[in-house]
Order: sequence, then C-alpha cells, then structure tokens
Amino acid sequence: EPEVTQTPSHQVTQMGQEVILRCVPISNHLYFYWYRQILGQKVEFLVSFYNNEISEKSEIFDDQFSVERPDGSNFTLKIRSTKLEDSAMYFCASRWLENTEAFFGQGTRLTVV
Amino acid sequence: QQQVKQSPQSLIVQKGGISIINCAYENTAFDYFPWYQQFPGKGPALLIAIRPDVSEKKEGRFTISFNKSAKQFSLHIMDSQPGDSATYFCAASSQAGNSGYALNFGKGTSLLVTP
Repeated sequence: EPEVTQTPSHQVTQMGQEVILRCVPISNHLYFYWYRQILGQKVEFLVSFYNNEISEKSEIFDDQFSVERPDGSNFTLKIRSTKLEDSAMYFCASRWLENTEAFFGQGTRLTVV
Repeated sequence: QQQVKQSPQSLIVQKGGISIINCAYENTAFDYFPWYQQFPGKGPALLIAIRPDVSEKKEGRFTISFNKSAKQFSLHIMDSQPGDSATYFCAASSQAGNSGYALNFGKGTSLLVTP
C-alpha cells in the first residue's frame, strides 16, 4: 500500500538552528501539506502546496518557515531559526485530487532545546 | 476562532458499547467532513468521511451522522472494542478560494474502551 514517508522520525536541535524536515508523498499525488501537532493538542494546518507553489498558509507559517519540492519526489519543510515553541510533531500529508482522501505520514518529532 | 468544535475531550466506553463523538462547525463553505483515528506515535489515519449531500454514512461499525442545518456531525462506533482505543479527530475542509482543501481539525477525543 502506498504511503507517505517522513524523515527523520525524531530530530533534536538547538534553539536558533535551522532544520529541514523531509517528506516523500505518494507518487501520483498532486496536493501536499504540512501540519503540526503540539503534544496533546490538535493537529494544526501549516501550509498547502500545489503546482509548485504555496496555495494557502496559516498564520503559524511565518517568515521562519519555507517549503520546497526540489526534485519532484521530496517535499521539505524548513524552519530557519528554531524556537522552543516549534517543538511539536510535524506531519506531512498528500492527496491525489483536492477532494480525495489525505494520507498522513508517521510524523517527525521535533524537539528544540 | 476555532472553526471545528469537538466533544467530549475524553470518553470511556465498555467493550460492546456505543461510542459517540460530536463535532460542530461554523464555516458554511465546508463541504468535506472526515474523521481521523490516531494511535500514539502515529500519524492520523482516515476512518470515514462524509459530504453534505447525505445525512448518514456507514462503514462497518463506524457511522457518521450529518446535520447540515445544525452544522453538526457525529461519529458513532458500534460494538466498541479495546482496539478502538485511540484519539479521534473530526475535521472539515472546503474548496473555497485557494484553500487547497486544508483540513481544520477539532481538538480530538481520547477514547478508551475497557474490556
């Protein structure tokens, strides 16, 4: 069964450092998303990406965040200068068409110390 | 503003019982309402979804009831099993604007099914 894969599963970084979270969406999917989940809280939308550009972003997705699809298979989330409050589980999701099921990856647990 | 409100926050049900989780939404542009199941350390997985043109959808032991006029929808888990113990999230999305069908999640319900 096709799945969304994310690496690494856990990343620990020092405050102020840059991190890149990586995702390989399902191969024929066209819409890509990043969500985050602070421990014990709800899943929050960060950004959606379609046709090689951001289609929507939430207010959480400020100038410290960026996304890229560098090679047609990977989809990355970069946090330029991490803050303690960026510690969360980050989920990548993809879907084939805009009104079909969104598949989520297993997540990357980011810990900022 | 919380676009999707979910209750209860936690739920304990005996094996064989019915688990009921409720959600309410504000945005009338929402036109897709999925329920996700999440086990600890895992990503959310789609359980069942409904669109507003129907009032109920059933898949196995899981049923979504949808009330468009009240802007509410609920998940019913019949014959609940210990393996159903997980966190359940309702969500809603729309095609309006350039949203790309981004999902707006409720806060989640932690379900525990006791043997």
